[in-house]
Amino acid sequence: QFVLTQSPSASASLGASVKLTCTLSSGHSSYAIAWHQHQPEKGPRYLMKLNSDGTHNKGDGIPDRFSGSSSGAERYLTISSLQSEDEADYYCQTWGAGIQVFGTGTKVTVL
Amino acid sequence: EVQLLESGGGLVQPGGSLRLSCAASGFTFRSFAMSWVRQAPGKGLEWVSGITASGYSTYYADSVKGRFTISRDNSKNTLSLQMISLRVEDTAVYYCAKNAGGGLDGFDIWGQGTMVTVSS
Repeated sequence: QFVLTQSPSASASLGASVKLTCTLSSGHSSYAIAWHQHQPEKGPRYLMKLNSDGTHNKGDGIPDRFSGSSSGAERYLTISSLQSEDEADYYCQTWGAGIQVFGTGTKVTVL
Repeated sequence: EVQLLESGGGLVQPGGSLRLSCAASGFTFRSFAMSWVRQAPGKGLEWVSGITASGYSTYYADSVKGRFTISRDNSKNTLSLQMISLRVEDTAVYYCAKNAGGGLDGFDIWGQGTMVTVSS
């Protein structure tokens, strides 16, 4: 089964950092993923494509404080210097064999 | 400016039909695969259907297979989703999304969404 696992919530103080995790299911640890931000009442926003070796390609206009890294089957999104506008749901996405899969999303709260 | 603009959402009764459209601009539409993604109230994102750049291959989530049909018109830069036999559980905001390449890979552009409500 092709599954992406995310924690349901994360929080950190304004100006601090938060690290989100997306775990690929067994047998899929080499897959690339994409991270997306989804704010209420808006369309999702592409943040970056993250490869298994940790290299990533960010979308246009995505601030440097958004970064990605990888370790085994885990893919990370780190948001540094948290801003109030970073409060949103964050989804990881992967693909293969004609299907697309989303993680369940992590709701980030800025304290 | 790269843009995706969905239209066609609305209120429909269970068993009814609806056709969604997505107008693309700002990029070479015919070079990229496209997809539909939805979000039901209070739920996460769910991929619905995808189509390759040429339109030759189409793919569907099990939840909509046999009821939804994706298509594209590369001469008009338009993506469509024909939905029939709609169910209450199809109620969601439907987003059009551009894939980063010609096949079904990650999304790099999203539309703003159009609401579909299936209710009697």
